Amino acid sequence: AQSVTQLGSHVSVSEGALVLLRCNYSSSVPPYLFWYVQYPNQGLQLLLKYTTGATLVKGINGFEAEFKKSETSFHLTKPSAHMSDAAEYFCAVRAGSNYQLIWGAGTKLIIKP
Amino acid sequence: NAGVTQTPKFQVLKTGQSMTLQCAQDMNHEYMSWYRQDPGMGLRLIHYSVGAGITDQGEVPNGYNVSRSTTEDFPLRLLSAAPSQTSVYFCATGTDNQPQHFGDGTRLSIL
Repeated sequence: AQSVTQLGSHVSVSEGALVLLRCNYSSSVPPYLFWYVQYPNQGLQLLLKYTTGATLVKGINGFEAEFKKSETSFHLTKPSAHMSDAAEYFCAVRAGSNYQLIWGAGTKLIIKP
Repeated sequence: NAGVTQTPKFQVLKTGQSMTLQCAQDMNHEYMSWYRQDPGMGLRLIHYSVGAGITDQGEVPNGYNVSRSTTEDFPLRLLSAAPSQTSVYFCATGTDNQPQHFGDGTRLSIL
């Protein structure tokens, strides 16, 4: 069975610092991997996704993620945090022909001035 | 271009009442889905549809019904509301059978 683990329910970084949000997954077949962002009182928005091909994926708002098969990881990074990045971030995995996504519990990103 | 529209935004029900959460999209996406979001649990898929006339169960379908008579609409029906169904409900649409666009959610409280 597939599963997703996001390390840290809350991550706090200073404005201008590196953002690193961790996501590890388990899957017995090659996965599709996703990161979504949710701003307060809003729905989720797709940030980026990995399906096949290049393992470094660039998304919106300057975020990127790298698929590392050997580490079963898909960590989300941004070189320089901005106050507007404060939100909750969700990692999700889809494996096989099943249309369902398995979701992590989410990580709230806090940006300190 | 409205994207994904969910109504109502807020609703309070009494235990045992029924209601329908509406979801409409104007992007002509074949895939539509309903999720519930509870604190610390991420999102859980309730039901989904890969096209008009086609629906299937997700992870937590009990107590909910759906239908998909048109591409645009995908209503979620609570048959007999229970306090355990207090949650925030999101409708999502997309291509390639994955959620890409979410509505702003319906916040539902069951007393």
